[in-house]
Amino acid sequence: SQQGEEDPQALSIQEGENATMNCSYKTSINNLQWYRQNSGRGLVHLILIRSNEREKHSGRLRVTLDTSKKSSSLLITASRAADTASYFCATDGTGGFKTIFGAGTRLFVKA
Amino acid sequence: DAGITQSPRHKVTETGTPVTLRCHQTENHRYMYWYRQDPGHGLRLIHYSYGVKDTDKGEVSDGYSVSRSKTEDFLLTLESATSSQTSVYFCAIRDSYQETQYFGPGTRLLVL
Repeated sequence: SQQGEEDPQALSIQEGENATMNCSYKTSINNLQWYRQNSGRGLVHLILIRSNEREKHSGRLRVTLDTSKKSSSLLITASRAADTASYFCATDGTGGFKTIFGAGTRLFVKA
Repeated sequence: DAGITQSPRHKVTETGTPVTLRCHQTENHRYMYWYRQDPGHGLRLIHYSYGVKDTDKGEVSDGYSVSRSKTEDFLLTLESATSSQTSVYFCAIRDSYQETQYFGPGTRLLVL
């Protein structure tokens, strides 16, 4: 079964608005990562947050992690049409190098 | 794409035929992964390798085998392709010290 589950499955917003995607997971983790996939391409790593961190920023991205609720959120501020893509959360279990991906959120940013 | 290539990029084959997909890296990373991506399922791990000749199963390994005879190449074989193996296959690499993975461009496989 999937370790990470994203919510919502799809999101449509206007350019300039903020986009928030959520991820829930089931077991203990070492870290949680977010990846982006443009249509027809491979995944690209965006940001990693470790299990002992609560919030992390990278440019227009803000990630939070709540290990007590086994959940994370990805916020993209001031979205652009170029942010249109699928976003996936991924978790590394405490066992190490086996990364499990969720089903993803499809984000569509209208210009 | 961080020095990672996949071949072929597209393949059409018939049910029952063997198929081998190749992943090649130039980064000398220890870990290599094969995933399949299907609508509604995200990426699911098929097999992974943690060194030459060291491989292990992922969550959807039935019908697939892998081999890694040298650091740079990780092969995925469908012994007898079925229509349920129609998918997009991604290879990824990761080194021993970073938790992030770098993905190849993918292989689109259609099994008729």
